[in-house]
Amino acid sequence: GAGVSQSPSNKVTEKGKDVELRCDPISGHTALYWYRQSLGQGLEFLIYFQGNSAPDKSGLPSDRFSAERTGGSVSTLTIQRTQQEDSAVYLCASSLAQGAVQPQHFGDGTRLSIL
Amino acid sequence: GDSVTQMEGPVTLSEEAFLTINCTYTATGYPSLFWYVQYPGEGLQLLLKATKADDKGSNKGFEATYRKETTSFHLEKGSVQVSDSAVYFCALVPYNTDKLIFGTGTRLQVFP
Repeated sequence: GAGVSQSPSNKVTEKGKDVELRCDPISGHTALYWYRQSLGQGLEFLIYFQGNSAPDKSGLPSDRFSAERTGGSVSTLTIQRTQQEDSAVYLCASSLAQGAVQPQHFGDGTRLSIL
Repeated sequence: GDSVTQMEGPVTLSEEAFLTINCTYTATGYPSLFWYVQYPGEGLQLLLKATKADDKGSNKGFEATYRKETTSFHLEKGSVQVSDSAVYFCALVPYNTDKLIFGTGTRLQVFP
């Protein structure tokens, strides 16, 4: 499809395991964002990629979280040694370019549940 | 730091009623302001935006005006429909970044 695609749509895993979440942005979009939506914290920014610039990692909650974007397209968010507080919906968004005038288009999210 | 405060829900209205969802912000400089909507079972969608003071964003009968003097961006609709039932998020992008800062969301329930 033409929208932002995220996989898996749902992930259930045991505490302590590592997980990888994938985001496929809209073709041609140079900016890619990860957010987290949880009951206790609402919608929070995690990390932002723009072209070949160094990513803005200022929202990552701990060093267990990391993300990469290969070839300026697909991005993977990795959570190591998962904890129960990591349970949330992880949202990916992309936009045409840098700047607030370019709206961010969101995927449907990955619902992560840590047992 | 920059933040967004919006009214708690749920907001419950009858069809054709007037809607206001209040949103105020705290930010350095001149942020851009947004309303996003999340319909049941769907992802976040941009509803409208305003990028400078006194701009009015509008879409699908919804409107919001960027008021710098009151640091507000209240969402309004003259006549709501059942299909408007959703969670509405007010958000800003600070002037020197590209990351969205969201409010906590307001659930709107419209009954026939």
